[in-house]
Amino acid sequence: KAGVTQTPRYLIKTRGQQVTLSCSPISGHRSVSWYQQTPGQGLQFLFEYFSETQRNKGNFPGRFSGRQFSNSRSEMNVSTLELGDSALYLCASSYTRDGYTFGSGTRLTVV
Amino acid sequence: KQEVTQIPAALSVPEGENLVLNCSFTDSAIYNLQWFRQDPGKGLTSLLLIQSSQREQTSGRLNASLDKSSGRSTLYIAASQPGDSATYLCAVFKAAGNKLTFGGGTRVLVKP
Repeated sequence: KAGVTQTPRYLIKTRGQQVTLSCSPISGHRSVSWYQQTPGQGLQFLFEYFSETQRNKGNFPGRFSGRQFSNSRSEMNVSTLELGDSALYLCASSYTRDGYTFGSGTRLTVV
Repeated sequence: KQEVTQIPAALSVPEGENLVLNCSFTDSAIYNLQWFRQDPGKGLTSLLLIQSSQREQTSGRLNASLDKSSGRSTLYIAASQPGDSATYLCAVFKAAGNKLTFGGGTRVLVKP
């Protein structure tokens, strides 16, 4: 079966711009989570959606937002980009609480 | 607040040696623990999932143990190969919060 698909794989944006990342979970998975990975901070939780509802949010500024659609696909948006937002953004999906499957990530570079 | 620590941060071994990777967590009230592998610039690949009620899980050359009361998990990789070179991450999951908390990872290099 298809895995978790994240698009695009790479992005280069300029400070002040906004960006939208997309994640398609494994078919049947209703939980989608987003994580940010940087060399300095490691993997940090951004937010989790289940059946179009945000159930939890990490400690990130309001510039980071997300949503989930009725088909469980999810998007995350970052507005007013800063250099420090450069990171690998990972999406994970889960059917139950028993294990997460991650996508290949989107590498965002802010210049 | 749950904190997850992985020691050592980096490890280099000759091919054929067994690998022992450690993970410790501060809050023992976990639902499960998952071990992942990450190759440079790539996403995470799940290796093993251990439920809180289990003591260990095995898959091929991989074996992971869990001691919830002491807040520790260990990943054993038998007879290491150069292809095992990667960063290994452990993550704990608590039902309240619906999120994984990750350790900093152990970067492994297996020399031919």
